[in-house]
Amino acid sequence: ELKVEQNPLFLSMQEGKNYTIYCNYSTTSDRLYWYRQDPGKSLESLFVLLSNGAVKQEGRLMASLDTKARLSTLHITAAVHDLSATYFCAVDARRNSGNTPLVFGKGTRLSVIA
Amino acid sequence: GAVVSQHPSWVICKSGTSVKIECRSLDFQATTMFWYRQFPKQSLMLMATSNEGSKATYEQGVEKDKFLINHASLTLSTLTVTSAHPEDSSFYICSARALAGRQETQYFGPGTRLLVL
Repeated sequence: ELKVEQNPLFLSMQEGKNYTIYCNYSTTSDRLYWYRQDPGKSLESLFVLLSNGAVKQEGRLMASLDTKARLSTLHITAAVHDLSATYFCAVDARRNSGNTPLVFGKGTRLSVIA
Repeated sequence: GAVVSQHPSWVICKSGTSVKIECRSLDFQATTMFWYRQFPKQSLMLMATSNEGSKATYEQGVEKDKFLINHASLTLSTLTVTSAHPEDSSFYICSARALAGRQETQYFGPGTRLLVL
């Protein structure tokens, strides 16, 4: 059974600082996703990582994937208050049926403080 | 990009009533949609996979007779919570796969917040 673990689960960081969120998964998977969720809202897609060594950047966020280590990181550079949200990583869970739902980590609740 | 809509966005109902939630893919066809449930301050948990023209596949522990799923067309899946009880209060989110440029990704609907009194 595919398991996805994120850490930390809670993160309070000062504006302007850097930090990394980690996502480990237990079995081989084709894709890894990062999503952002604001309170009371649905999920906003941030990144889709497809291959070993993939690195994607958008603004102050950068995501990377190491498929051999089954590890993805989401790096936050010079945090600003607007980045406060819950961040989820998720992995394709390919089934024998061919369907591929996502298995989610527990999420990292990020709070950026002045 | 691909858009997935849900209706209603929120619903309050009395215990024992049934509630239907619609999930639509607005600009693409989705042979498969997924239904997730999210309790407060928790992650998303897959409830079932909705397949157009065939029966849904339910995850372990999800009662298929309580959570009825119908995928009547390539753009619509419905989830009916039958005889809802307060413990069914949750945030229900559907998703569907679509191509974003050359890349396939999974798009999520805006969610339906259900409160059962």
